[in-house]
Amino acid sequence: KNQVEQSPQSLIILEGKNCTLQCNYTVSPFSNLRWYKQDTGRGPVSLTIMTFSENTKSNGRYTATLDADTKQSSLHITASQLSDSASYICVVTEYYGNNRLAFGKGNQVVVIP
Amino acid sequence: ETGVTQTPRHLVMGMTNKKSLKCEQHLGHNAMYWYKQSAKKPLELMFVYSLEERVENNSVPSRFSPECPNSSHLFLHLHTLQPEDSALYLCASSQTGSTGDEQYFGPGTRLTVT
Repeated sequence: KNQVEQSPQSLIILEGKNCTLQCNYTVSPFSNLRWYKQDTGRGPVSLTIMTFSENTKSNGRYTATLDADTKQSSLHITASQLSDSASYICVVTEYYGNNRLAFGKGNQVVVIP
Repeated sequence: ETGVTQTPRHLVMGMTNKKSLKCEQHLGHNAMYWYKQSAKKPLELMFVYSLEERVENNSVPSRFSPECPNSSHLFLHLHTLQPEDSALYLCASSQTGSTGDEQYFGPGTRLTVT
């Protein structure tokens, strides 16, 4: 079983609308949790990073939350734009060992006009 | 060039071919990584190099052979691949190999094995 589970697997939203992506993880202990954006044909790019003591982090229209007690994180996209169409990957850094990352499969978001 | 670059961006090869993927980082980092990304699966870590020494080999078949001649360059030599090896191969780098260091990814090489 994957240590990082994301839902929904895919999502279609209208331009201008908001959406929330979910990430549940079992990695423990962990160093930090990141959300990456991966455009088609590109490598992932970091959007937000939170340590276990942080609850929320924003980057423009992207807001990530973290509940370390329930091991859940979410990424909220506000006023979506066509350029938000991408895969959003939740990544948890394990506390021990060579900067090892546990990846989710990603949430595929398609924004339509 | 800035960030992490990878060449070629696309590669089609037969099962008997030998090819190499190249990664170069322009960030002054000391750790580099190879990942495999298959459709509908999480990224899989293949190899980790820190200060040009391999520090992790994640049970990768021997038909994949990494090489790190210096801290800026990383290669993945391919031979006798199988169709299931078709995937996006991503290279990443980080300042050190320490836990918590952000990894910066290249654009990837889309590999198709026929």
